Amino acid sequence: GESVGLHLPTLSVQEGDNSIINCAYSNSASDYFIWYKQESGKGPQFIIDIRSNMDKRQGQRVTVLLNKTVKHLSLQIAATQPGDSAVYFCASHPYGQNFVFGPGTRLSVLP
Amino acid sequence: ETGVTQTPRHLVMGMTNKKSLKCEQHLGHNAMYWYKQSAKKPLELMFVYNFKEQTENNSVPSRFSPECPNSSHLFLHLHTLQPEDSALYLCASSQDQGGFNTDTQYFGPGTRLTVL
Repeated sequence: GESVGLHLPTLSVQEGDNSIINCAYSNSASDYFIWYKQESGKGPQFIIDIRSNMDKRQGQRVTVLLNKTVKHLSLQIAATQPGDSAVYFCASHPYGQNFVFGPGTRLSVLP
Repeated sequence: ETGVTQTPRHLVMGMTNKKSLKCEQHLGHNAMYWYKQSAKKPLELMFVYNFKEQTENNSVPSRFSPECPNSSHLFLHLHTLQPEDSALYLCASSQDQGGFNTDTQYFGPGTRLTVL
């Protein structure tokens, strides 16, 4: 079955630097991916999504890159701010099946 | 706010208690989900309802009993839980389940459950 993992459970970056959070998935039939942000005491919040027919999608200060060849997904946050401190996790969606979620990376922004 | 609300936000219960978690979505969605989130583990899907019909029971123990009276409300009834059931229980909704373009799930804030 599908499994989703992240390369690092924690990541610390200086305020103003760019952050890169990685995710690997196992099912090549996954056709839709989402990044979620979860702040302490809150539920996961949708950040950005990407479909398998794309390799890059940009939002406000965030970019998601998809490499289907190696089944790898990344979230880039530009000019990281203290409010970006949270747990980030990816979810992959094989068509017609339920989402599979990764374990999450805790991003800490240092002053 | 995502349009998905959950009550209570915190719950402490003994192993012999009966309690219920409530979820309500104001997004006009047709699918609703219960997830369990334990520390340092990925989200675990428990139940899925699509158009009020249960479409998924992910081998959840019978001490957890879901109820979906309509597409906007979802309950999780709890009975004789174990301490290892302590976790954050998240509700989510999506436009539909299993389709190509409508599956993005929006989550509520969760209920932090502690079983003593």
